[in-house]
Amino acid sequence: AQTVTQSQPEMSVQEAETVTLSCTYDTSESDYYLFWYKQPPSRQMILVIRQEAYKQQNATENRFSVNFQKAAKSFSLKISDSQLGDAAMYFCAYRSAVMGKLIFGQGTTLQVKP
Amino acid sequence: NAGVTQTPKFQVLKTGQSMTLQCAQDMNHNSMYWYRQDPGMGLRLIYYSASEGTTDKGEVPNGYNVSRLNKREFSLRLESAAPSQTSVYFCASVSGQGGSPLHFGNGTRLTVT
Repeated sequence: AQTVTQSQPEMSVQEAETVTLSCTYDTSESDYYLFWYKQPPSRQMILVIRQEAYKQQNATENRFSVNFQKAAKSFSLKISDSQLGDAAMYFCAYRSAVMGKLIFGQGTTLQVKP
Repeated sequence: NAGVTQTPKFQVLKTGQSMTLQCAQDMNHNSMYWYRQDPGMGLRLIYYSASEGTTDKGEVPNGYNVSRLNKREFSLRLESAAPSQTSVYFCASVSGQGGSPLHFGNGTRLTVT
């Protein structure tokens, strides 16, 4: 069975600085997708970024980028130029290309200090 | 475009009471999911429906039942609520397999006393 692990329950960053959130996963599959979701206090689940396992190039969305290391089964999220609105809980998630279920990590709460 | 709509937003139950959480999506998605979110545990899959007419258990199905009423609607029922079912419940949907992201409802906060 696939598992997703986020080992940092809480992180903090100074406004305008860069922070990296860690995520590791375990799978025997070769074809899958990885996601980062953001959950602000409103409870809404917002897709931040997505990575296809068959693509070597790391995904980027504006200030958000990932470091995808397939052999190491690592998928970290880098937030550049952190803003107060980035404060939220962040979830890493895995989705098999075959089974389709989305499996989540435990979440990391990010605090942004002004 | 409403997306995924969950009702109710909040609910308080006494132990032993029953209730149904409703979920509807208007995006013509095939697959629908129910998750629960507890502190420090992320979102855990309760049940899912890969397509209309099918349902399957997820990680934590005990104490719950589901119905995929039609392509739009996927309900979650608690037959006899227990304090351990106090949680935030999310419904989600997606068009198919692969890299399509799940679309989530805004969640239901359920408290069982």
